[in-house]
Amino acid sequence: GQSLEQPSEVTAVEGAIVQINCTYQTSGFYGLSWYQQHDGGAPTFLSYNGLDGLEETGRFSSFLSRSDSYGYLLLQELQMKDSASYFCAVRDNGAGNMLTFGGGTRLMVKP
Amino acid sequence: GAGVSQSPSNKVTEKGKDVELRCDPISGHTALYWYRQSLGQGLEFLIYFQGNSAPDKSGLPSDRFSAERTGGSVSTLTIQRTQQEDSAVYLCASSKLAGGLNEQYFGPGTRLTVT
Repeated sequence: GQSLEQPSEVTAVEGAIVQINCTYQTSGFYGLSWYQQHDGGAPTFLSYNGLDGLEETGRFSSFLSRSDSYGYLLLQELQMKDSASYFCAVRDNGAGNMLTFGGGTRLMVKP
Repeated sequence: GAGVSQSPSNKVTEKGKDVELRCDPISGHTALYWYRQSLGQGLEFLIYFQGNSAPDKSGLPSDRFSAERTGGSVSTLTIQRTQQEDSAVYLCASSKLAGGLNEQYFGPGTRLTVT
């Protein structure tokens, strides 16, 4: 079956760096995405990796290794507003664009 | 411009009743998705519409669930004979491009509570 594994919770302090890992086991693979969701809010897109390597967008970076079925989201210079849930998601169907989501990692940033 | 909108924002219904949830995607987005999110969980795919193609219904959990998309825009998710396990937040998303990056824009969701 399809599964994406990520840690359920991570705690870090302001200004620190945190890495959220995601391993996936899916029938197909057409890219790994990351979404952020604040409590009570809608998920918002953060990044996408279609090929191996690192993608950088400001304080956030995302990495993919397709041979290891593994990716991570790296958040630098953490701010209190980064406290949220972070979801990895795989597009696993070449004919459709729906995403299979991981269970989410709740990040708590402390002062 | 306007984002994805959903209505109602909250819905409380009695077990056995039917409910309709509405989604207005971003104008010009050809792809529309419905997901379900239980408390503290990830998102579960339900159904996907792309342009005028037949929808992908592979995620619908039972035949009590159905959805339609009229005129390639507004979509309605219908749940018949609701059960308590249907309680969740129902999220709609839309995207502009098929394939590739496929950044999905989510609406605020409808919180459904079945009593």
